[in-house]
Amino acid sequence: AQSVSQHNHHVILSEAASLELGCNYSYGGTVNLFWYVQYPGQHLQLLLKYFSGDPLVKGIKGFEAEFIKSKFSFNLRKPSVQWSDTAEYFCAVNARPLSGSARQLTFGSGTQLTVLP
Amino acid sequence: GAGVSQSPSNKVTEKGKDVELRCDPISGHTALYWYRQSLGQGLEFLIYFQGNSAPDKSGLPSDRFSAERTGGSVSTLTIQRTQQEDSAVYLCASSSTAHNSPLHFGNGTRLTVT
Repeated sequence: AQSVSQHNHHVILSEAASLELGCNYSYGGTVNLFWYVQYPGQHLQLLLKYFSGDPLVKGIKGFEAEFIKSKFSFNLRKPSVQWSDTAEYFCAVNARPLSGSARQLTFGSGTQLTVLP
Repeated sequence: GAGVSQSPSNKVTEKGKDVELRCDPISGHTALYWYRQSLGQGLEFLIYFQGNSAPDKSGLPSDRFSAERTGGSVSTLTIQRTQQEDSAVYLCASSSTAHNSPLHFGNGTRLTVT
């Protein structure tokens, strides 16, 4: 079964600091990878996704993530955070399906990012 | 509507009562998911519907939980004989295909069991 680990539960940064949130997954096959964000009082929304091709993917609001297959990782980065980036960030993975099988999207436990003004 | 709609937004119920939570996905989306988000926890997968296929119920925590999706659209999650540990935000999401499209989430139903 696939699983996702986010090791940082709560990260506190000052504005303009650089951000890297860790995400590791366990699954031996081909995966689709996602980062979702939940701003205070809002619903979850997609930040970025990786399916294939260039392992460095860029998302909204200056975020990017790098897929490193050998490390089973998909870390989220942003060179300079803003106060408005305060939110909870979730990494998610689903495995490329085998024929006829349904696959669920598995989420990590989330990382709460607090950016101090 | 433009997004996934869930109702009610908040539900307070007494322990032992049954509750029904409703999800109206984005029109045309064939995949529908239910997740549970508890305080300090991540998103816990509950159940997944894809078109006319048999649903993946592997995440349902007990037989008190059930869900159906009528006509490939609206879904109802039912919790029977609610317990205090059922208190959580129940999130519904839909996507246009099961495997490589992002999920669109609703605002969730906050369930409080007293």
